[in-house]
This record gives sequence, structure tokens and C-alpha cells, in this order.
Amino acid sequence: DGGITQSPKYLFRKEGQNVTLSCEQNLNHDAMYWYRQDPGQGLRLIYYSQIVNDFQKGDIAEGYSVSREKKESFPLTVTSAQKNPTAFYLCASSGGVQPQHFGDGTRLSIL
Amino acid sequence: KQEVTQIPAALSVPEGENLVLNCSFTDSAIYNLQWFRQDPGKGLTSLLLIQSSQREQTSGRLNASLDKSSGRSTLYIAASQPGDSATYLCAVLDNYGQNFVFGPGTRLSVLP
Repeated sequence: DGGITQSPKYLFRKEGQNVTLSCEQNLNHDAMYWYRQDPGQGLRLIYYSQIVNDFQKGDIAEGYSVSREKKESFPLTVTSAQKNPTAFYLCASSGGVQPQHFGDGTRLSIL
Repeated sequence: KQEVTQIPAALSVPEGENLVLNCSFTDSAIYNLQWFRQDPGKGLTSLLLIQSSQREQTSGRLNASLDKSSGRSTLYIAASQPGDSATYLCAVLDNYGQNFVFGPGTRLSVLP
């Protein structure tokens, strides 16, 4: 079955630590996205990538970094510069202007 | 900058009722609009996608309409069931086909 896999499901970050969230898709989609969701709020775009080796900042990119070395993979690193990282992180992909497909999310908390 | 709002923020109805969820957007220059369902602690599941040239889309008990000129979309759920309980989000895709902007969602509870 085609889909998007995010891992881990739960992640804990210590003070000053960088952590990386994984996102893999086997839908052959060109575009991939990272969103942050806080309680009671909609999704906010962190980064997106339309093609391999290219990505653009979204509305809240500060304190985050991404890479897109392969079409299937779009990992997100939450750096120590992100002072309020506790949130639910969602990865999505789309084939052009087709519906977005989402992973099941990673919940990041601070130790 | 595109902004998307959804009314109501939360809704509780008895089983069997028909209901309407509303989505408004400030910039009518959109490529398409999508309705999603999100269960607690889960990702989003696409329900319906309406292209900017379309007026509505239907899937089973769900019907979504789009009035681009007034910046509005509605999601109509017929004969609601407890299994419909979830948060429903709408999102618009800008005319460049690159950026989705999401509303905050409507949390729906259908009581048995």
C-alpha cells in the first residue's frame, strides 16, 4: 500500500539537543511538506519541497532545517534554536495539485 | 496573505442530524480547496477536493460546495453518525499550486 511513514511516533528532546524527524513516502509524489500543529490550532507550514535538492521556507521555518536528497525522503531537524518545539509534527506529500496525503505524525515533547 | 477561518469551532449534535460546517478564505485566487478529517492524535485524511472551476463535490454522505467569489465553502454531512466525530479542517491551495493554507478546524461530536 502506498503511503507516508513518519517516525518516531513520540520523541523527547533534551535542552540544547537537535532531533530529527523522519518522513518517507512511496507515492512517487514530487512535493513534500512539513507542518506543525499546536493544540486547537490549524496546521502551520514549516518547510516544503517541490523537487529533489530544493526546498523553501514556510511561515515558521526559524529553528528548523530540512534536506531533500531523495524523492522519497524529507527529514526535518528541530534544532536547539527552536525554543518552543513541543508540538505535533505532520508530514505530507502531493502529486502536483492532487490531494495531499498525510503521515500519522510525530509528537515532540521537551524533557 | 491568505487567511482561512472555520465556523463553528466546535459542534455537538445528536445522531441522525444533518449538519453544515463553514470555511471562509480571504483571497479568492485559489487553485483548489480541500476538506480533511483528523482523528485525535492522527494525521489528516482527505475527504473531498474541489477545483476552483467546480462548484461542488460529493462523496457518500458528504457534500462540499465552493463559492470562490465570496470566499466560502461548506461541508454538508447528512444523517450524522457517532463515527463522524472528529475534527474537520479545510485548506486552500494558492494559484501557484505550491502553498496550502489551513483553517483551525471544527471539532465535531455526534452523540449516540
